[in-house]
Amino acid sequence: AQKVTQAQTEISVVEKEDVTLDCVYETRDTTYYLFWYKQPPSGELVFLIRRNSFDEQNEISGRYSWNFQKSTSSFNFTITASQVVDSAVYFCALSEETSGSRLTFGEGTQLTVNP
Amino acid sequence: DADVTQTPRNRITKTGKRIMLECSQTKGHDRMYWYRQDPGLGLRLIYYSFDVKDINKGEISDGYSVSRQAQAKFSLSLESAIPNQTALYFCATSDKAGGHSGELFFGEGSRLTVL
Repeated sequence: AQKVTQAQTEISVVEKEDVTLDCVYETRDTTYYLFWYKQPPSGELVFLIRRNSFDEQNEISGRYSWNFQKSTSSFNFTITASQVVDSAVYFCALSEETSGSRLTFGEGTQLTVNP
Repeated sequence: DADVTQTPRNRITKTGKRIMLECSQTKGHDRMYWYRQDPGLGLRLIYYSFDVKDINKGEISDGYSVSRQAQAKFSLSLESAIPNQTALYFCATSDKAGGHSGELFFGEGSRLTVL
């Protein structure tokens, strides 16, 4: 069965600090996708990124970067030079080929960026 | 207007009452989902539907039922609400063409409180 673990329940940083959100997953499938979603205080869920299991290249998008390592079953998310607007709950999620497009979500990490 | 619309956005009800949460989408997607969010537990799948004639239970379907009235509409019912069903409920859609890699598009959420 698929499982996603986000061990960091809450993280608090000061603006301009770098912060990494951890995500560890479990799956028996060789084909799967990993996702990150952001939930700002307004409550909506915002898609950030999708990676497939065959592409371990790290990805950078502005201040955001993602490190995918199959050897450790991790898909960590780093925010560089954090800003107050980054304050949100961040969810990591997994979709297996055998489960169709059903996503399994981690518990979420509450990130607070203080001015 | 939002592509995925949920009604009501907020609802307070009493134990034992029947409640229906409605979801409609204009994205033309075949697949629709109902998730429940609880603090510290992330999002958990209640029911999903891959087309109008296909309804499937998710990981926490007990106490819930659904109806897929049309491709664009997917309703979640609580036949006899209980306090531990107090949560934030999300409807989501995805494109069949995306398969298990497909991004989920979420509604804005329906906050339900059962007293």
